[in-house]
Amino acid sequence: NAGVTQTPKFQVLKTGQSMTLQCAQDMNHNSMYWYRQDPGMGLRLIYYSASEGTTDKGEVPNGYNVSRLNKREFSLRLESAAPSQTSVYFCASSDNRDTEAFFGQGTRLTVV
Amino acid sequence: GIQVEQSPPDLILQEGANSTLRCNFSDSVNNLQWFHQNPWGQLINLFYIPSGTKQNGRLSATTVATERYSLLYISSSQTTDSGVYFCAVPPGGGADGLTFGKGTHLIIQP
Repeated sequence: NAGVTQTPKFQVLKTGQSMTLQCAQDMNHNSMYWYRQDPGMGLRLIYYSASEGTTDKGEVPNGYNVSRLNKREFSLRLESAAPSQTSVYFCASSDNRDTEAFFGQGTRLTVV
Repeated sequence: GIQVEQSPPDLILQEGANSTLRCNFSDSVNNLQWFHQNPWGQLINLFYIPSGTKQNGRLSATTVATERYSLLYISSSQTTDSGVYFCAVPPGGGADGLTFGKGTHLIIQP
């Protein structure tokens, strides 16, 4: 039982390049989330999906797009990466917004 | 949105000491989680505790929802307890996800 799995673990991009971060969960959870963590700060919500087929903006959505591919998978896309998007990205899942959330191991992204 | 404040921001202790970390939040909540982020960056679930008291080994947590705070107790600290401790609550207003505090950075010295 792997929980929440993110790929890749590390990535370096040049400004303007695009990439997709992948996330999959095997807990049959309905809700999935993408967060970013900047140095010395807590996590901030980028986008979430409360159920298959729905997505909504969180606190810091600008510069990102998401896709809920199916119940298991939720991807985060950077269309044109900027240095301000250098961060650690975490995916999470929960049964619903009032239940315990579980996090992946994170993706460390550097945009140069 | 909801405000989450954690104290102290930094804490340095000797191995074997006890500590209390505090989380204050600005509105009523029906979900509160404590996490430990280890030095490798992993987020580890400690407690899901919207109210009441829970214990897990040397760690325990208490949430007093009516007074809008939660406490995390660590007893007999070990060097492996080092890292950042976060509390997180729903953002309020019917929104989804979690709002995190800025964390308490704990260093346990041997």
